[in-house]
Amino acid sequence: DGGITQSPKYLFRKEGQNVTLSCEQNLNHDAMYWYRQDPGQGLRLIYYSQIVNDFQKGDIAEGYSVSREKKESFPLTVTSAQKNPTAFYLCASSWTGLNQPQHFGDGTRLSIL
Amino acid sequence: AQKVTQAQTEISVVEKEDVTLDCVYETRDTTYYLFWYKQPPSGELVFLIRRNSFDEQNEISGRYSWNFQKSTSSFNFTITASQVVDSAVYFCALSSTGNQFYFGTGTSLTVIP
Repeated sequence: DGGITQSPKYLFRKEGQNVTLSCEQNLNHDAMYWYRQDPGQGLRLIYYSQIVNDFQKGDIAEGYSVSREKKESFPLTVTSAQKNPTAFYLCASSWTGLNQPQHFGDGTRLSIL
Repeated sequence: AQKVTQAQTEISVVEKEDVTLDCVYETRDTTYYLFWYKQPPSGELVFLIRRNSFDEQNEISGRYSWNFQKSTSSFNFTITASQVVDSAVYFCALSSTGNQFYFGTGTSLTVIP
């Protein structure tokens, strides 16, 4: 089945630790996105990539880093510089173009120990 | 600036009632697309519908219907004869310049049996 796989589903981070969230898609989409969702704030864009080896900052990129070495993979690292990382993280992918809907994974819930 | 406003934070209805979810958008672009997504408790956002800025025809899909009015910059979503399975958070989104999505803050719908 085609889709987007995010792992793990739940993740716990210790203070001062970097953690990496995985996102893999087999839809052959060119573009991939990372969003953060907090209660009552909707989805906020962290990073996006429209082509391999290229990515752009979204609205809240500080404290996060990404890579896009393969078309199907777009991992997100939450660094120790992100002081409030507890949130629900959603990965999405799409074809490029204004009219293309984004397709989402099941999300990763990150909590601080 | 691009912006999507969903003024209704939470709505509760009794099963079989009709309910309308409001979405108001802002953009200076003449070409743009509007989307609705459903987020059930499992977390994944599910794409429901896309509408382009040049097509103001209303659309009906089963119990769902959408009303797009450029004059009021609104793209409202109506569920007829609501069911418990409709309980979810619903997001409206705008796609325009820069190939980014701009999401509203979501409306949490609870259908009471």
